[in-house]
Amino acid sequence: EPEVTQTPSHQVTQMGQEVILRCVPISNHLYFYWYRQILGQKVEFLVSFYNNEISEKSEIFDDQFSVERPDGSNFTLKIRSTKLEDSAMYFCASGRPDISYGYTFGSGTRLTVV
Amino acid sequence: DAKTTQPTSMDCAEGRAANLPCNHSTISGNEYVYWYRQIHSQGPQYIIHGLKNNETNEMASLIITEDRKSSTLILPHATLRDTAVYYCIVSERKGRESGAGSYQLTFGKGTKLSVIP
Repeated sequence: EPEVTQTPSHQVTQMGQEVILRCVPISNHLYFYWYRQILGQKVEFLVSFYNNEISEKSEIFDDQFSVERPDGSNFTLKIRSTKLEDSAMYFCASGRPDISYGYTFGSGTRLTVV
Repeated sequence: DAKTTQPTSMDCAEGRAANLPCNHSTISGNEYVYWYRQIHSQGPQYIIHGLKNNETNEMASLIITEDRKSSTLILPHATLRDTAVYYCIVSERKGRESGAGSYQLTFGKGTKLSVIP
């Protein structure tokens, strides 16, 4: 069964550093998403991406964050200057709602900011 | 915030049916009911969705009341691997301009289902 692949599985970074989280969505999917989950808390929507542009973003997704689909296969989330409170699991998801109603999530990247 | 209410936790004996309720009394006519689950710290997994009619797939059945104010997810023969947090989410599918058919997932706290041997 097709999968959404996320790398790395775990990243440790120093406060103030930039990180790039990478995702390879399912190849024929058209919609891409980033969610995050702080330990012990709810899964929170960050941003959706469709037709090579952001279609929606949450209040969490401020100027510190950016997304890109640099080469037609990868989908990246960049956090420019990490803060301690950015420590969380970050999940990428992709979907093709004209074919299937469900979104497929990756297994996540655990980001630890120290 | 989530538009649904679910019990915090439930237990189910292995091999028995697990019935997970969800209240969504403020659901609007064009909102679908989606169920996802999250096993341990893995990414959420889509289970099933419905609008008005009951639905069944290889994973589960979804029973939606006639007034659509509540629904029940049924796992017919629960196994230990079904132990997870189950999320009931209502969401509207978007129109053509903002991504035809896409929908936003607003996760609540869900129901922690423990399947017991």
